[in-house]
Amino acid sequence: AQKVTQAQTEISVVEKEDVTLDCVYETRDTTYYLFWYKQPPSGELVFLIRRNSFDEQNEISGRYSWNFQKSTSSFNFTITASQVVDSAVYFCALRGYNTDKLIFGTGTRLQVFP
Amino acid sequence: GAVVSQHPSWVICKSGTSVKIECRSLDFQATTMFWYRQFPKQSLMLMATSNEGSKATYEQGVEKDKFLINHASLTLSTLTVTSAHPEDSSFYICSALDANYGYTFGSGTRLTVV
Repeated sequence: AQKVTQAQTEISVVEKEDVTLDCVYETRDTTYYLFWYKQPPSGELVFLIRRNSFDEQNEISGRYSWNFQKSTSSFNFTITASQVVDSAVYFCALRGYNTDKLIFGTGTRLQVFP
Repeated sequence: GAVVSQHPSWVICKSGTSVKIECRSLDFQATTMFWYRQFPKQSLMLMATSNEGSKATYEQGVEKDKFLINHASLTLSTLTVTSAHPEDSSFYICSALDANYGYTFGSGTRLTVV
């Protein structure tokens, strides 16, 4: 079975703080894909990153960075110097090898206060 | 980049009526479309997967006679909520899968049944 756990339901920070959103996944596949999406209040899903299981390099994109650790089945997302515009719900998702389906975690609601 | 146009953005209907939601891939051909349902402050739950020209595959617990999915062309998939009831009120999101662009999500439809 495939599963994605985002244990943090809500996080509140003050602007300019760094914040890490946790994602732990379960899969028996040796090849799989991990994703992060942002869902602002308007509702649309914004793609942030896709990582395949063979690529354990950490990724940095501006203020965003991702830490992929296969040993702990985690794919954590860090926002550096958070801004009010970062306020949204963030979803981690998993796609297994022989499927097109995306399995979403329950999401983490991030509120950044000025 | 890839765009999926989802309409309507929101709809209010009377109990017992049917509502059709459309998703169009604007600049690519989507061989596979996914339909999700999202309750307030909850995750995206996959309802069904549709492939162009064939019957949709529904997830366990989703009534196929209530949620009719048609994927008649490579650029259009529709979800019809038949005989809608207040408990069908939710946020519905489609997603198109393409080999080049990966998953592209529509902007969602907020359905309210009164």
